[in-house]
Amino acid sequence: DTAVSQTPKYLVTQMGNDKSIKCEQNLGHDTMYWYKQDSKKFLKIMFSYNNKELIINETVPNRFSPKSPDKAHLNLHINSLELGDSAVYFCASSLANRGLGSTEAFFGQGTRLTVV
Amino acid sequence: GDSVTQMEGPVTLSEEAFLTINCTYTATGYPSLFWYVQYPGEGLQLLLKATKADDKGSNKGFEATYRKETTSFHLEKGSVQVSDSAVYFCALFSGSARQLTFGSGTQLTVLP
Repeated sequence: DTAVSQTPKYLVTQMGNDKSIKCEQNLGHDTMYWYKQDSKKFLKIMFSYNNKELIINETVPNRFSPKSPDKAHLNLHINSLELGDSAVYFCASSLANRGLGSTEAFFGQGTRLTVV
Repeated sequence: GDSVTQMEGPVTLSEEAFLTINCTYTATGYPSLFWYVQYPGEGLQLLLKATKADDKGSNKGFEATYRKETTSFHLEKGSVQVSDSAVYFCALFSGSARQLTFGSGTQLTVLP
């Protein structure tokens, strides 16, 4: 069984379109994340959800909107896609306790988004 | 804010060579420290971790020791293999910030 699964694995779309990436975890974790990895492999956190509440919203364009229907799912919706949005997007989950460190984060396989 | 600084790559070694990838961090409080590995075309996998000062994380021949006095968590392996070729990320989790912060990654290539 896949611990963190995200779909689709590849997504090619035209500028201006709206698209969604789905993520599900079956680990019983309370925190889920979206990361963006650029062509130089740099990982930047975009969003973090703890028990369905947004706890971090880094300075990403408001065209990006996370949606968490329950604590096992964190989807990423992107409006009006731009060329610069091309990257690999990773979903992750962990069990996070404030002030006590955390268990490790488990990552999905990534979604390679190409905007043409 | 929290930050992680990693040795810049790429690093190219011959098989059976000794590996060190340096990692230092800045964080408030007492973060947990991690090394993740990303093989080509795959997601990140946890390689090892340490949750308090002087802890040593180890896995698959890799080791790293949590050094609070030098705020470091350097990754070492005594004898690398071709199959170790990947990108290695140092990361920290800070309870106060409640997020996992990554270094910039180090590409390792091991030649036969």
